[in-house]
Amino acid sequence: NAGVTQTPKFQVLKTGQSMTLQCAQDMNHNSMYWYRQDPGMGLRLIYYSASEGTTDKGEVPNGYNVSRLNKREFSLRLESAAPSQTSVYFCASSVGHEEKLFFGSGTQLSVL
Amino acid sequence: TQLLEQSPQFLSIQEGENLTVYCNSSSVFSSLQWYRQEPGEGPVLLVTVVTGGEVKKLKRLTFQFGDARKDSSLHITAAQPGDTGLYLCAGARNNDMRFGAGTRLTVKP
Repeated sequence: NAGVTQTPKFQVLKTGQSMTLQCAQDMNHNSMYWYRQDPGMGLRLIYYSASEGTTDKGEVPNGYNVSRLNKREFSLRLESAAPSQTSVYFCASSVGHEEKLFFGSGTQLSVL
Repeated sequence: TQLLEQSPQFLSIQEGENLTVYCNSSSVFSSLQWYRQEPGEGPVLLVTVVTGGEVKKLKRLTFQFGDARKDSSLHITAAQPGDTGLYLCAGARNNDMRFGAGTRLTVKP
């Protein structure tokens, strides 16, 4: 049982480049989330998907887009990366909202 | 401004000491969760508290939810080096979970 799988684990981008972070869960969870974690800021919610076919903005959605491809997969796209997007990104899933969150191991992204 | 304020931000203690960390907000939450995160990994759930005034114990860890469901505390008795990590609280409201900035605990042998 793999749980929540994120790829890649590390990525370095130049300002203006685009990329997609992939996330998949094998627990048949309804809800999925993308967070970013910065020193002293904790985890901040970027986007979430309460169920397949729906997505909603969180606290810090600017500069990001998401796609809930199917029940298993929830991707995060940076269209034009900026240095302010240097962070550690975590994907999480839960049975439903307000339930226990299961996290992936994170993607460390550096934008130069 | 964080929706959930955690204090202290850093805590360094000797093995065997007791400690309490706090999670405070002006908002009411339907439930509150505590997570522990180790370097290079995602957070892992420790406990969920739902009812105002609720107290839950997990071995040497005691969690309390405030009567008004706006704040919570985590008390560790006789801390051990294995308790070292980042402790995060998260509040559930509407359809999402919001996290505090965390308390980084170091327990020295």
